[in-house]
Amino acid sequence: NAGVTQTPKFRVLKTGQSMTLLCAQDMNHEYMYWYRQDPGMGLRLIHYSVGEGTTAKGEVPDGYNVSRLKKQNFLLGLESAAPSQTSVYFCASSYGRGANNEQFFGPGTRLTVL
Amino acid sequence: GENVEQHPSTLSVQEGDSAVIKCTYSDSASNYFPWYKQELGKRPQLIIDIRSNVGEKKDQRIAVTLNKTAKHFSLHITETQPEDSAVYFCAASNTGANNLFFGTGTRLTVIP
Repeated sequence: NAGVTQTPKFRVLKTGQSMTLLCAQDMNHEYMYWYRQDPGMGLRLIHYSVGEGTTAKGEVPDGYNVSRLKKQNFLLGLESAAPSQTSVYFCASSYGRGANNEQFFGPGTRLTVL
Repeated sequence: GENVEQHPSTLSVQEGDSAVIKCTYSDSASNYFPWYKQELGKRPQLIIDIRSNVGEKKDQRIAVTLNKTAKHFSLHITETQPEDSAVYFCAASNTGANNLFFGTGTRLTVIP
C-alpha cells in the first residue's frame, strides 16, 4: 500500500496563477483533510471531507477550493495564487471521526508563490 | 470549538535525560488525544494516543498521561536519544468532531 500520496512535491507559481494539488489514498478512508503548515504556526486545517461528494470548510479556507469526486482522491485548488499562500501543504486521511480519527499524512507539497 | 494549547514551544535536553511536553484543552467533551512526531522535512506521524477511559499509556520510552479534571495531557519521553529530535504536536478530538484540533507544536532538540 502506498498510503497517502501527494502530487506535486514542489511547485513555484507567480501571483495570480492557478494550480491544483492532488491527494490520493489507498486505505479506503472516508475522511480526508488539507492542512497548511507555516513556520511557528503548526498545522492549520483548510478544508476537509467526510465522504465522497462532500466537502466542508476548516479554519483557513479563504482562497482555496476543494473537490472529492472519488473516495480515494481529494483535490485542493488555488484559483489566483497569492504570496500569502506560500506554505507546505499536507493532505491526510482517516478511517473515522472522534476517537477513530488517527490521521495518516501525505509527504507534503512545498508551494512558493512569487 | 476546541482550543488546544501546547508548551513549551522549544525544548532542549541532554541525551539520556527525560523530556515532557504539556497540552491543555478547552472542550470537556474531548475524548481522544493523539501525539504526532514530525522530523525535519518529513510528514507528521502518530507516535502514541490515549482515550479518555484511561489515565496513562506507555509504549517503550514514550508515555502519555491524561488528567480529565484539569483538562490537560502530557507526553513523556525517557532516556532521550538524538533521533528523538523533532517537532511534536498534540491534538484533541471528540466523538462528534470530524477533525482533530492540533496544538502549535514543540521543537525538541536532544543534545548528544
